[in-house]
Amino acid sequence: DTEVTQTPKHLVMGMTNKKSLKCEQHMGHRAMYWYKQKAKKPPELMFVYSYEKLSINESVPSRFSPECPNSSLLNLHLHALQPEDSALYLCASSQGGGLADRNEQFFGPGTRLTVL
Amino acid sequence: EDQVTQSPEALRLQEGESSSLNCSYTVSGLRGLFWYRQDPGKGPEFLFTLYSAGEEKEKERLKATLTKKESFLHITAPKPEDSATYLCAGGIFGYNKLIFGAGTRLAVHP
Repeated sequence: DTEVTQTPKHLVMGMTNKKSLKCEQHMGHRAMYWYKQKAKKPPELMFVYSYEKLSINESVPSRFSPECPNSSLLNLHLHALQPEDSALYLCASSQGGGLADRNEQFFGPGTRLTVL
Repeated sequence: EDQVTQSPEALRLQEGESSSLNCSYTVSGLRGLFWYRQDPGKGPEFLFTLYSAGEEKEKERLKATLTKKESFLHITAPKPEDSATYLCAGGIFGYNKLIFGAGTRLAVHP
C-alpha cells in the first residue's frame, strides 16, 4: 500500500480561525513532509520530520506549526493565516534517512486551503 | 546553487505524436533524479527514480533516462489521458530534500 491520506480535502477559514490539517501513512516510512503548492508552481518544502523529530524547517512563518504525534501521523496547525497562504497543502512520506537506498517521496492528495 | 530546470514549459501534442521532456540539473551530491506526474488539484504521483548515468526505466508509454547533466522523459504514442504536469526533482545526498523543477505541462489532443 503506497497511500498517504490527508484530511480534510477542502478547508475554508477566516484569518482569526485555528484549524489543523492531518496526514497519515501506513507504509512504515520514517520521514514525513509538508509542502505548499501554489497554482502552476512546483511544491515548496515547508517542514521535514525524520524519525518523529523536526529535521528541516524552511523558514516557515510561525502561524504554521507542525506536529508529529507518532511515526504514522503528521499534523499542521494553522493560526492567524493570511489570504496569501491560500494554496494546496501536500503531505508526503519516504522510507527515511538521507542515506536510504530508496528515498522516493509519496504524496497525498492534498488539502485545498482558502483563507478569507 | 542547486538547481533543476525543465523544458519546455508547456507542450502540446497530437495523439500518437511521440516527444521528450527535458530536465537539466546542477545538484551537488545528487542522490536520485525523480519524475512525478501531477494532475490538476491532486498530489504528485511518483513515476521513476534514476540513480546512475546511463540508467533507464520504463512504464507503459513513458521511458526515463539519465545522463550526468540531464534526464529525459520520453513519451511514445501519447494518449489524451497522458495530459498532466510532469515534474522532475533532484534528491540531495544525506538530506531528505528534493529540489523540484518548475514542471512541463503536457496536453495531448485527440
